[in-house]
Amino acid sequence: NAGVTQTPKFQVLKTGQSMTLQCAQDMNHNSMYWYRQDPGMGLRLIYYSASEGTTDKGEVPNGYNVSRLNKREFSLRLESAAPSQTSVYFCASSEAGRAQHFGDGTRLSIL
Amino acid sequence: GESVGLHLPTLSVQEGDNSIINCAYSNSASDYFIWYKQESGKGPQFIIDIRSNMDKRQGQRVTVLLNKTVKHLSLQIAATQPGDSAVYFCAENRDTGGFKTIFGAGTRLFVKA
Repeated sequence: NAGVTQTPKFQVLKTGQSMTLQCAQDMNHNSMYWYRQDPGMGLRLIYYSASEGTTDKGEVPNGYNVSRLNKREFSLRLESAAPSQTSVYFCASSEAGRAQHFGDGTRLSIL
Repeated sequence: GESVGLHLPTLSVQEGDNSIINCAYSNSASDYFIWYKQESGKGPQFIIDIRSNMDKRQGQRVTVLLNKTVKHLSLQIAATQPGDSAVYFCAENRDTGGFKTIFGAGTRLFVKA
């Protein structure tokens, strides 16, 4: 059972470039989430999807867009990358009211 | 404001000793609490959870205690092992009509051999 799979694991971008981070889960969870994690800070929610076909903004949505492609997949897009978006990005999934299961992250550097 | 936080950013314990990691929360409406472990280069991993109708829950070598009177949550790890070295996060679920889970900043646990 793979759980939550994120691709790529590492990426370096130049300022202004665009990129899509991919996430897929095989646990048949309804809810999926995108977080960023910066040094010394807790996880901050970017966007979430409570169920297939719905997406909502989290705490730090500016500069990002998401797509809930189907029940399994939830992608995060940076349209015009900025150095402030250098971070580790985590995708998670869960059933409503239950603990979230996380992928191993995408380490993104923007020069 | 409302928050989930940790009393100690780092904790160093001797191998074999018990570890206690603490967390404070401020919203009495929170009804579900979770502890996660995050190893270097990995995503957070679920350890144990507890609902607000309970005071204590035990897992394998771990116990979570919930004190609703003082809004305090703790994670106890028995016979701490080098493999327990990681960052530990508490998380609080509250029903705000929207997204529910708030994560603390984390405590780093060092286990000395």
